[in-house]
Amino acid sequence: DIQMTQSPSSLSASVGDRVTITCRASQGINNYLAWFQQKPGKAPKSLIYSASSLQSGVPSKFSGSGSGTDFTLTISSLQPEDFATYYCQQYNSYPLTFGGGTKVEIK
Amino acid sequence: QVQLQQWGAGLLKPSETLSLTCAVYGGSFSAYSWSWIRQPPGKGLEWIGEINHSGSTNYNPSLKSRVTISVDTSNNQFSLKLSSVTAADTAVYYCAEARYWGQGTLVTVSS
Repeated sequence: DIQMTQSPSSLSASVGDRVTITCRASQGINNYLAWFQQKPGKAPKSLIYSASSLQSGVPSKFSGSGSGTDFTLTISSLQPEDFATYYCQQYNSYPLTFGGGTKVEIK
Repeated sequence: QVQLQQWGAGLLKPSETLSLTCAVYGGSFSAYSWSWIRQPPGKGLEWIGEINHSGSTNYNPSLKSRVTISVDTSNNQFSLKLSSVTAADTAVYYCAEARYWGQGTLVTVSS
C-alpha cells in the first residue's frame, strides 16, 4: 500500500493568513493526487484533482502543487469558512489511500 | 448535477452483516467508478472499495475477505455488504465518486 503522510496534523491560523499543507507519498504517484475539505458532520468535498487541477466551483484561493512524492495544498487567504480538516488521497494504485488529515483551526 | 442518496441499517450486533445501498441521480452512472469509504468517529478516511457499471470491483485488501460491492445498473444503484462486523467497524460510511458524495450513514456495532 502507498502511505500518505500529511503535515502538520493541525495548525492554528488567522483570517487572511496564507496556509500550506504538505502531503508526502511513500512512492511516486504520477500526480494522481486529490485534496478534500471536510467540515464537522459533513461529507468531504473535493477541492483538487491531478495534484493541481481545481474542481469546478472551487474558489481560486485554493491551489495545489507538487509532483512525484511531494505535494502541497495552499489556501492563499484564509477565510472563516475555510476552517476545516483537509485530506490528501492518492489514486495512482490500489488500495486508494488517504493522508491522516490536517485540522485548520482559528488562532 | 449528480446526487448520491444512501440508506441502510445503522445499528448492528457483532457478527452481523452490514448492508448499505447508494442511489445515483443525474449524470451518467456508467461513466464512473463508485466507491465506499468509511470514517470511524474522530478519525480519518478509509477507502473500502469500488465498482464500475460493468460490475468490475477493487477492494481494500484489509477488508477484502469480508466485503462485497455490487451494482444494479437498472436502478443506478450500488451496494455494500460487510460481513462479521465488530466494534472496529463502527464508522460513518459514505458512498462516493471523488466529486460526489452521499450524506453518510453512521453504522454502530454494539451488543
